[in-house]
Amino acid sequence: AQRVTQPEKLLSVFKGAPVELKCNYSYSGSPELFWYVQYSRQRLQLLLRHISRESIKGFTADLNKGETSFHLKKPFAQEEDSAMYYCALSRNYGGSQGNLIFGKGTKLSVKP
Amino acid sequence: EAQVTQNPRYLITVTGKKLTVTCSQNMNHEYMSWYRQDPGLGLRQIYYSMNVEVTDKGDVPEGYKVSRKEKRNFPLILESPSPNQTSLYFCASSPAPGTGYNSPLHFGNGTRLTVT
Repeated sequence: AQRVTQPEKLLSVFKGAPVELKCNYSYSGSPELFWYVQYSRQRLQLLLRHISRESIKGFTADLNKGETSFHLKKPFAQEEDSAMYYCALSRNYGGSQGNLIFGKGTKLSVKP
Repeated sequence: EAQVTQNPRYLITVTGKKLTVTCSQNMNHEYMSWYRQDPGLGLRQIYYSMNVEVTDKGDVPEGYKVSRKEKRNFPLILESPSPNQTSLYFCASSPAPGTGYNSPLHFGNGTRLTVT
């Protein structure tokens, strides 16, 4: 079965500390994974996708097929990173994000 | 401006009174979806549509209907709302497979529905 698991509902860190938001997935084929972010009072928006191997706002995420994980990392958290973060898996091969399974989300709180 | 527009933003209704939440996108996207967001449960897909007249159930379709008569519109219909449908609803759209790597899922602002 296709599934996305985010084990932490809430993650609280101090400014400048490293942060890692965990995401594990279950998928029989070759997975296509994404991180979405929802800042307070804003729409959900794409943060990054594994296929691009990019760094956005200092965040990176590496797909580890052996551990079926796609953890989101940032070496030095900033207060403006406080938001709700969702890991998502595409149900369809081919890159479209039109049919995504989302995890339950992790609320990141960065304290001054 | 490219966007997904949902209406209304807030809706309070009573059990059993039919309602429709509208969703419209101006990006000529093929894919459209409806999600509900509940505390501790994250985003769960209700229905999705790959193109006009093509719709399919998501993970939590019970109690909901959709239609896709035009490419730009994807209304969510609750024929007989119940209190367990109190939630925050999001509509989203994206291009068809094969073109998606450069185009993320575009979300609407959300509709907060309360059923009493």
